[in-house]
Amino acid sequence: DAGITQSPRYKITETGRQVTLMCHQTWSHSYMFWYRQDLGHGLRLIYYSAAADITDKGEVPDGYVVSRSKTENFPLTLESATRSQTSVYFCASRGTGNTEAFFGQGTRLTVV
Amino acid sequence: QQQVKQSPQSLIVQKGGISIINCAYENTAFDYFPWYQQFPGKGPALLIAIRPDVSEKKEGRFTISFNKSAKQFSLHIMDSQPGDSATYFCAASSPWQGAQKLVFGQGTRLTINP
Repeated sequence: DAGITQSPRYKITETGRQVTLMCHQTWSHSYMFWYRQDLGHGLRLIYYSAAADITDKGEVPDGYVVSRSKTENFPLTLESATRSQTSVYFCASRGTGNTEAFFGQGTRLTVV
Repeated sequence: QQQVKQSPQSLIVQKGGISIINCAYENTAFDYFPWYQQFPGKGPALLIAIRPDVSEKKEGRFTISFNKSAKQFSLHIMDSQPGDSATYFCAASSPWQGAQKLVFGQGTRLTINP
């Protein structure tokens, strides 16, 4: 199916555990993004990528790691989860130029 | 550093009324200003967008008004309907900055009372 998909949709993990959130898009968009959504803060950019093997930090990158070995995938890893990383995470992709960004359905992560 | 500031945080409007959400930006390099709509449990989806060479864009009941000199833009929803109840985000981006990343406002939770 065409589009952008995230997995899992829901995840509960313990403090200190490593967890990886997956993102896959089928449009071959160059740009991919990870945002977290928290009440009162809107959507804050964690990391972004302009192409395979090109990534850069966003507004709130601490505690997160990304990779992009293939254009279509952009996984986000929490190396040692903390309670402050409890949030809803959205992946997005965008083509070149000022075009629409498409968002996945989100992953609700709870760190206990 | 909040580059796009959005207000109000929440808004309640009666059915048939006009909903108005405002945003202000700082970076004059921004040249694309979209509004996204998000329903509970879903990802944000593009609603309407404007570029700074026009002062207004209308699509159905949704209108963006843009004031370049004041660095402000707003979303107007005419004849608001209960189905418009959602969270709305304004955003901005520039093709010359960091993979054209979108910078979002804090969001407005809109409730339309029947």
